[in-house]
Amino acid sequence: EAGVVQSPRYKIIEKKQPVAFWCNPISGHNTLYWYRQNLGQGPELLIRYENEEAVDDSQLPKDRFSAERLKGVDSTLKIQPAELGDSAVYLCASSSRETGSYNEQFFGPGTRLTVL
Amino acid sequence: SQQGEEDPQALSIQEGENATMNCSYKTSINNLQWYRQNSGRGLVHLILIRSNEREKHSGRLRVTLDTSKKSSSLLITASRAADTASYFCATVPSANSGAGSYQLTFGKGTKLSVIP
Repeated sequence: EAGVVQSPRYKIIEKKQPVAFWCNPISGHNTLYWYRQNLGQGPELLIRYENEEAVDDSQLPKDRFSAERLKGVDSTLKIQPAELGDSAVYLCASSSRETGSYNEQFFGPGTRLTVL
Repeated sequence: SQQGEEDPQALSIQEGENATMNCSYKTSINNLQWYRQNSGRGLVHLILIRSNEREKHSGRLRVTLDTSKKSSSLLITASRAADTASYFCATVPSANSGAGSYQLTFGKGTKLSVIP
């Protein structure tokens, strides 16, 4: 079974530039999450989707961050414009509705963003 | 914000020794999960323990949970060099905790080094 796929794996941009990350969750997983992980810290949730609906985006900095999950499968996270403090690893995860958001989440390898 | 606090922040042991990591949290929980992260494979779910459970085993892993002290421990027995990674505890708040949605909140992690 294929795991969560993310691309790109690495991205280096200059500040004020836009950037986008893509995630393909495990087939059949209705719940999709985006996390940000700063160096030396644990992941922090940015947004959670149930199918195509964003049900928890309270931690998403809405002035510059946006996300979408068209058709309830793939998802894109965008930053525009990027700031130096956005340098981090952006992780996508998914889980099955059968087990619910309470249980195991499956993580992708992440996208390491460096803003210069 | 980080809910869990792992202790110690870093741990170095010889191969074959046991490794114990601790986690403390603040709000009442539905369950607590342990994840491992290394540079090659990203975040991987290890084990989940529910609030009504006190101990759980999975292979060389043993997890305990003390809800009265709001703490958990992860024991890795007979460690191997391949166990070298960062270990995170993550909590899902209980429905009546007032902690908001059912998001997974991670600690800062314990960095384990197993020396061959």
